[in-house]
Amino acid sequence: DTAVSQTPKYLVTQMGNDKSIKCEQNLGHDTMYWYKQDSKKFLKIMFSYNNKELIINETVPNRFSPKSPDKAHLNLHINSLELGDSAVYFCASSQKPGRDNYGYTFGSGTRLTVV
Amino acid sequence: QQQVKQSPQSLIVQKGGISIINCAYENTAFDYFPWYQQFPGKGPALLIAIRPDVSEKKEGRFTISFNKSAKQFSLHIMDSQPGDSATYFCAASRETSGSRLTFGEGTQLTVNP
Repeated sequence: DTAVSQTPKYLVTQMGNDKSIKCEQNLGHDTMYWYKQDSKKFLKIMFSYNNKELIINETVPNRFSPKSPDKAHLNLHINSLELGDSAVYFCASSQKPGRDNYGYTFGSGTRLTVV
Repeated sequence: QQQVKQSPQSLIVQKGGISIINCAYENTAFDYFPWYQQFPGKGPALLIAIRPDVSEKKEGRFTISFNKSAKQFSLHIMDSQPGDSATYFCAASRETSGSRLTFGEGTQLTVNP
């Protein structure tokens, strides 16, 4: 019954590897996001998809590539991992704006450690 | 450029006290102001939100106060409990255009028993 689920929860990998994080939401939301939380807990948006279409692409290295096969899924693939990529990555989804319960629902995060 | 500034960075309150966290924003086009609560190892969870047509919103022990002219909003936690110990984030967005949430830097709240 998890609303936004991410896998894996923990990911430890070596520099230079390629890895993917998967996200699924069962809330029927149209919009999904990837946020990065650094060691100081600052949350920064990376990407946003609305109904499988990319609508926000912040200044993120092109080693990061999101993919949305359908509106319930948003995956994040990272190529050539670097030490600075170590962070917690959160997937989130949201309702259409203007509704009373508008707000983001976050997954529980994927802690990525690059060694 | 940090569009939403949050203070304090950390806050220690005694059980039963009032916790107050402040945020200031720059973009006058923002029209949706939520607060999120994050426990260790979990994702942020929506706590309470306000839109600029009201100056205050209360849900249980949590109250948002909003000052449109000063471009500031704050979270008040009444009768703070140890279980409220968490990181709190304010955020803002242009909801009408469906834009992304911009978060403040976060406040680590500790409520001592």
